Amino acid sequence: QVQLVQSGSELKKPGASVTVSCKASGYSFTTYPMNWVRQAPGQGLEWMGWINTNTGNPTYAQGFTGRFVFSLDTSGTTALLQINSLKAEDTAVYYCASQSVWFVEGAFDVWGQGTMVTVSS
Amino acid sequence: IVLTQSPGTLSLSPGARVTLSCRASQSVSSSYLVWYQQKPGQAPRLLLYGASRRAAGIPDRFSGSGSGTHFTLTISRLEPEDFAVYYCQQCGSSPLTFGGGTKVEIK
Repeated sequence: QVQLVQSGSELKKPGASVTVSCKASGYSFTTYPMNWVRQAPGQGLEWMGWINTNTGNPTYAQGFTGRFVFSLDTSGTTALLQINSLKAEDTAVYYCASQSVWFVEGAFDVWGQGTMVTVSS
Repeated sequence: IVLTQSPGTLSLSPGARVTLSCRASQSVSSSYLVWYQQKPGQAPRLLLYGASRRAAGIPDRFSGSGSGTHFTLTISRLEPEDFAVYYCQQCGSSPLTFGGGTKVEIK
């Protein structure tokens, strides 16, 4: 079964850090890049960037440089999103998303269930 | 590339035919226009890619068309499970961008 399983909800204080994990199964993790997508409460989808699942090289969209870090776990099938110096406006659901089969680059047929990150004092 | 979806919300009855619009600020190759469906509390689900190609398991009441800067998603006959938010996305140029979504709600 093709799936991405993300870590659970997080409640953090401003200034703290959080790491969201995304474990892939049922398909070849290293064939396609892993993307991250943010959805603020009641808002639309915002692409954050992607990580090359072979080399670990990340690419960040504008607005997601500096405090956001994409990486890969040593297990070989898990992608990580770390957000540092958290701000209230980082409160959102964070999704990992990828492809399990080839159809077109940059479209996502497999999504994690989402991780709610709440930043509040 | 900015994607603008209209209308923001549609109130319709089951069985209705609905067409959603997605307009791009500059031309998008139809190969790189994608549609997703998202229900409350769920991740988006891929519906169409290449503007008109249905993803695996998507029923044929969903169809897409368009080119250049205007694309449409049509649901031929709304089923109860189709009431959701629909997003278009372009994946032809970086940054990848999504439209703001169209909510299809039950009238």
